Amino acid sequence: GAVVSQHPSWVICKSGTSVKIECRSLDFQATTMFWYRQFPKQSLMLMATSNEGSKATYEQGVEKDKFLINHASLTLSTLTVTSAHPEDSSFYICSARLETWADTQYFGPGTRLTVL
Amino acid sequence: QKEVEQDPGPLSVPEGAIVSLNCTYSNSAFQYFMWYRQYSRKGPELLMYTYSSGNKEDGRFTAQVDKSSKYISLFIRDSQPSDSATYLCAMSARYGGATNKLIFGTGTLLAVQP
Repeated sequence: GAVVSQHPSWVICKSGTSVKIECRSLDFQATTMFWYRQFPKQSLMLMATSNEGSKATYEQGVEKDKFLINHASLTLSTLTVTSAHPEDSSFYICSARLETWADTQYFGPGTRLTVL
Repeated sequence: QKEVEQDPGPLSVPEGAIVSLNCTYSNSAFQYFMWYRQYSRKGPELLMYTYSSGNKEDGRFTAQVDKSSKYISLFIRDSQPSDSATYLCAMSARYGGATNKLIFGTGTLLAVQP
């Protein structure tokens, strides 16, 4: 149980284009999902908290107009990287919170974005 | 000072060894403690989670929390080459109705040599 999927697993795009990444909780409903970014050999950096039916909460320093988050249902959140640039190349990982006594987060497999 | 400190390693052990991974933290409000395993180019996988102080065992894995010392540990018995990965500790506090965001350690890279 508690499986989270991400699509696509990797994507290459040209500079200036937009890329959408999907995060789905497959066997549970998630009111809250999280989007992280991870650079090589570094820990996870929280970008934003995605809440179903409301606006996302962005961490300090994360441009909300560049990283658009939509949490349209209890099983789907999307991250759109708009006008992507090479510096946006990174490993993007989502997680979904299973609302139990511990509110554990289950992570997707990640999406590797390369912007040329 | 970071809220959560974790030795990045790398930690190299022979197959069959007992591995000890540790994190310290500064926020006494943390109540929920997790350990994740992350293989290269994959998302983190939840291994263990505990609440407050005490021990929890699951197969070859044992998680310990000492809130008085603000110190948590993950022990891996009979380590296998397949255990080679980065291990991330994470913790959170509960405010109101739900837990706050997870705070992660930097991760410890473990290599189990056959």
